[in-house]
Amino acid sequence: GAVVSQHPSWVICKSGTSVKIECRSLDFQATTMFWYRQFPKQSLMLMATSNEGSKATYEQGVEKDKFLINHASLTLSTLTVTSAHPEDSSFYICSARGRLGDTQYFGPGTRLTVL
Amino acid sequence: EDQVTQSPEALRLQEGESSSLNCSYTVSGLRGLFWYRQDPGKGPEFLFTLYSAGEEKEKERLKATLTKKESFLHITAPKPEDSATYLCAVQISGANSKLTFGKGITLSVRP
Repeated sequence: GAVVSQHPSWVICKSGTSVKIECRSLDFQATTMFWYRQFPKQSLMLMATSNEGSKATYEQGVEKDKFLINHASLTLSTLTVTSAHPEDSSFYICSARGRLGDTQYFGPGTRLTVL
Repeated sequence: EDQVTQSPEALRLQEGESSSLNCSYTVSGLRGLFWYRQDPGKGPEFLFTLYSAGEEKEKERLKATLTKKESFLHITAPKPEDSATYLCAVQISGANSKLTFGKGITLSVRP
């Protein structure tokens, strides 16, 4: 139980293009989803928290207009990196939390490379 | 300021050599402490949640314990497949359920 998937697992794009990453909870309803980014040999940095049907809450320093988050259903959240630049290259990981309990279950991550 | 510190940064063990990983925390009010395992290029895998001092949880060769200031992840007779980065995270009472992560401990187990 508590499986979270992400798609795609990796993506390479040109500078200036937009990239969408999907995060799905496969066997439970995720009332809250989280988006993190992780740089090599560093820990996870929370970008934003989203509740189903509500606007996402962004962490300080994260550009809302650059990282668009949509949590349209209890099983799907998307992160769109708009006008991506090489400095946006990173490992993006989502997590999901259900109605009961505090545990966040993580997806396998998406490696974004912007050329 | 809420802080989570993990030590050591890296640990190399011989197969079968038991050891402990430390996670110390300074928070305004602890709701829960979480341990995750992360393999290279993958997302973290949930291991344990601890809520109150004195609580212990076990899973195979791993046992997690919690005091008012720190948590330990004990690894008994580790195997090479236990090699990974172990992350500790805390959830603060009254917060919006977000986790604050430590930097992780990279464990290598030699056969």
